[in-house]
Amino acid sequence: QVQLQESGPGLVKPSETLSLTCSVSGGSMSPYFWSWVRQPPGKGLEWIGYISYSGNSNYNPSLNSRVTISLDTPKNQFSLRLSSVTAADTAVYFCARGLDCSSSICNKSDQDALEIWGQGTTVTVSS
Amino acid sequence: EIVMTQSPATLSVSPGEGASLSCRASQFISSDLAWYQQKPGQAPRLLIYGAFVRATGVPARFSGSGSGTEFTLTISSLQSEDFAIYYCQQYNNWTPFTFGQGTKLEIK
Repeated sequence: QVQLQESGPGLVKPSETLSLTCSVSGGSMSPYFWSWVRQPPGKGLEWIGYISYSGNSNYNPSLNSRVTISLDTPKNQFSLRLSSVTAADTAVYFCARGLDCSSSICNKSDQDALEIWGQGTTVTVSS
Repeated sequence: EIVMTQSPATLSVSPGEGASLSCRASQFISSDLAWYQQKPGQAPRLLIYGAFVRATGVPARFSGSGSGTEFTLTISSLQSEDFAIYYCQQYNNWTPFTFGQGTKLEIK
């Protein structure tokens, strides 16, 4: 059973860089898409970006210049870096894996649906 | 960016009754739509993808319909564990992939 676990600092100072890692256990990183999603307190979900198992990435244009998602396949991990953070970046950060279309009835685009999620980690931006 | 609009914001329903939640996309997204359920303090759970395909382990009382710009999540005979917030999400066009603002399904 595949499980995801986020890790990283729970408190980040304004203007610094938020760094989180998602560890994947119980399965391979190939051939899936790996995403980061965040949820500010009491608000809805925002897709930060994703990276494919081959290393291609796409980022939310609202964060594009500040965000980097990278893959470490040998360690079964992927990471998020968000620079120049402000209080508006305070949120619960989730990592997630795209749908497994090898065992489900789905089209290629359905790989972007988020099938498996980490429990989430709270990051507060404050001095 | 494709804007996803969910209605109503809050839906009050009695256990055992059915519920219909709506989601509208600001432009055509074919059937590239997912529904998620989120309970307090938990990560979202994938319920439906491809607009109408139930994810693994999702009870048959959950069904999805629609295509293009109008979508519906229907829950028949609500159980106590179904009261939660439901989000729709499009993955047709990375502009980026966007979620609706959510519908809170509460006990009447």
